[in-house]
Amino acid sequence: SAVISQKPSRDICQRGTSLTIQCQVDSQVTMMFWYRQQPGQSLTLIATANQGSEATYESGFVIDKFPISRPNLTFSTLTVSNMSPEDSSIYLCSGCRGLSTDTQYFGPGTRLTVL
Amino acid sequence: AQKITQTQPGMFVQEKEAVTLDCTYDTSDQSYGLFWYKQPSSGEMIFLIYQGSYDEQNATEGRYSLNFQKARKSANLVISASQLGDSAMYFCAMREGNRNQAGTALIFGKGTTLSVSS
Repeated sequence: SAVISQKPSRDICQRGTSLTIQCQVDSQVTMMFWYRQQPGQSLTLIATANQGSEATYESGFVIDKFPISRPNLTFSTLTVSNMSPEDSSIYLCSGCRGLSTDTQYFGPGTRLTVL
Repeated sequence: AQKITQTQPGMFVQEKEAVTLDCTYDTSDQSYGLFWYKQPSSGEMIFLIYQGSYDEQNATEGRYSLNFQKARKSANLVISASQLGDSAMYFCAMREGNRNQAGTALIFGKGTTLSVSS
């Protein structure tokens, strides 16, 4: 199975600030994704992180609010910008090797609370 | 329309009993994959089992099996001999697309909370 690490594991932030979450994957992973899980809800895909180019965002998510970088194959960051309490969620990094039959693995998640 | 439907918000089972968690899906693709994940209160997502649309046999992994009924578009998870540690949220998920296409992201259902009591 792929190894995916994330940091920070949790954070409490003030309204209006920004937080950058880092995700490191092992070399087996080619596709990387970022998900949001609001309290008591399911996982919603934010974007696909593309190596060396702009991320592909899902409907309802924009680059200005959730800028994503992926400078190389095994590292990506997600920034939650100008935070509000509605951004309080678990943010999960995920990856797979790129075949449709492959398992998608998840990092441990970042629990974000915005006051 | 929802792609993945889990109609059971919560399920309760006694230890050592079997439990079935329901999942139905909606896709027009011929090739797709179905996944089940477990999320304990710690928040991590733990992969349990996978079923490919072309797989003729139902997938099994230890105490987990997937009851795949393609014509009905259902992929129910069966947990045999429940244990207290099985108490968690369970998510059904689907990946659509051509078998040879680079993996697209999973689409998740709303989840079912399973509570196992002694």
